[in-house]
Amino acid sequence: DAGVIQSPRHEVTEMGQEVTLRCKPISGHNSLFWYRQTMMRGLELLIYFNNNVPIDDSGMPEDRFSAKMPNASFSTLKIQPSEPRDSAVYFCASSGGDRGYEQYFGPGTRLTVT
Amino acid sequence: AQSVTQLGSHVSVSEGALVLLRCNYSSSVPPYLFWYVQYPNQGLQLLLKYTTGATLVKGINGFEAEFKKSETSFHLTKPSAHMSDAAEYFCAVSEGSGYSTLTFGKGTMLLVSP
Repeated sequence: DAGVIQSPRHEVTEMGQEVTLRCKPISGHNSLFWYRQTMMRGLELLIYFNNNVPIDDSGMPEDRFSAKMPNASFSTLKIQPSEPRDSAVYFCASSGGDRGYEQYFGPGTRLTVT
Repeated sequence: AQSVTQLGSHVSVSEGALVLLRCNYSSSVPPYLFWYVQYPNQGLQLLLKYTTGATLVKGINGFEAEFKKSETSFHLTKPSAHMSDAAEYFCAVSEGSGYSTLTFGKGTMLLVSP
């Protein structure tokens, strides 16, 4: 299995630009999670989906952030407009099957907003 | 609500010495507990987990952890540290089966000196 795939691995953008992060979960998994990791706040859950439906988006910082999961094999996290304080590593994780409690993480996208 | 406390943001050991990383949790229901490891510039990798049954669980790379309900603890140990163990370690708790979310601790950076 290829594991959770995220793209791009690195993104550098200017303040005010739109940023789109992409995630492909492990085939057969029906839950998908987006996390943000910073030195100050550690790992934060932003949003999670079950069967492509957003279940809890209470961790999304503000309206500039949005996430979609149009099908079982693809999800996006969009920031519009981006700000320097959004600089962080964004992780996608998936889980499912008999071990739905085990989350498998992608390699992350390191976002730098200048 | 769940929470996780990891004592010590940094732990330093010599190669060959015992590794002990501390984790205490709070949960309103019987918890599922996890340790993840993160190597530089990589995603999180599941090291071991406790769900039900035997309270001493073994994971990859010689690590093990013991669930102690009375102490609400799930400390991670390894008898003999190796240079390759240097990484950041995260303890996490979930409310159990299904697609429960994970609540992570702040992480402990393990430093291993020759």
